[in-house]
Amino acid sequence: ELKVEQNPLFLSMQEGKNYTIYCNYSTTSDRLYWYRQDPGKSLESLFVLLSNGAVKQEGRLMASLDTKARLSTLHITAAVHDLSATYFCAGNFGNEKLTFGTGTRLTIIP
Amino acid sequence: DVKVTQSSRYLVKRTGEKVFLECVQDMDHENMFWYRQDPGLGLRLIYFSYDVKMKEKGDIPEGYSVSREKKERFSLILESASTNQTSMYLCASRWTGPGYSNQPQHFGDGTRLSIL
Repeated sequence: ELKVEQNPLFLSMQEGKNYTIYCNYSTTSDRLYWYRQDPGKSLESLFVLLSNGAVKQEGRLMASLDTKARLSTLHITAAVHDLSATYFCAGNFGNEKLTFGTGTRLTIIP
Repeated sequence: DVKVTQSSRYLVKRTGEKVFLECVQDMDHENMFWYRQDPGLGLRLIYFSYDVKMKEKGDIPEGYSVSREKKERFSLILESASTNQTSMYLCASRWTGPGYSNQPQHFGDGTRLSIL
């Protein structure tokens, strides 16, 4: 059974600072996903990571995947208020069933 | 853009009622999913379907059933609603045709269901 753990669960950071959200998973995952959710809204897909060493970047967000360490990271560069949201990672193992982490609630303070 | 539409944003029902949550996607996706989202627990998969009339149990199927009579529509049914089924319910769909490996699941806006 695939288990996905994120940390931290809550993160409050100042604008302009850098930080990283960590996602550990328990067994080999075919794909690793990162999603963003704003309060009261749906989940928005950010990244799909397929292979070891994969790195994807979109604006101030960069995601990476280390399949040997069973670790994915979401790095935030020079945070701005608009990035305040809850971020989820999710993985799947051999089928279409996604297992989600519990989410990281990120608050960017001006 | 993919559009996943859930029939209600908010719904209030009573204990013991049979409740239907509807989801429609407009992109001819084969796979569709139902999740519930609860604080501190993240999203948990209830059921998913990879074709019309096909379904598979997710991690928490007890108390729920599903129906997929047409490719674009996936319904979640609470057979006899209970208070512990008060939650946010999210529907998703995913493309599994050519080039599918880097495709995410696309989510609807969710239905906040309260069982009184």
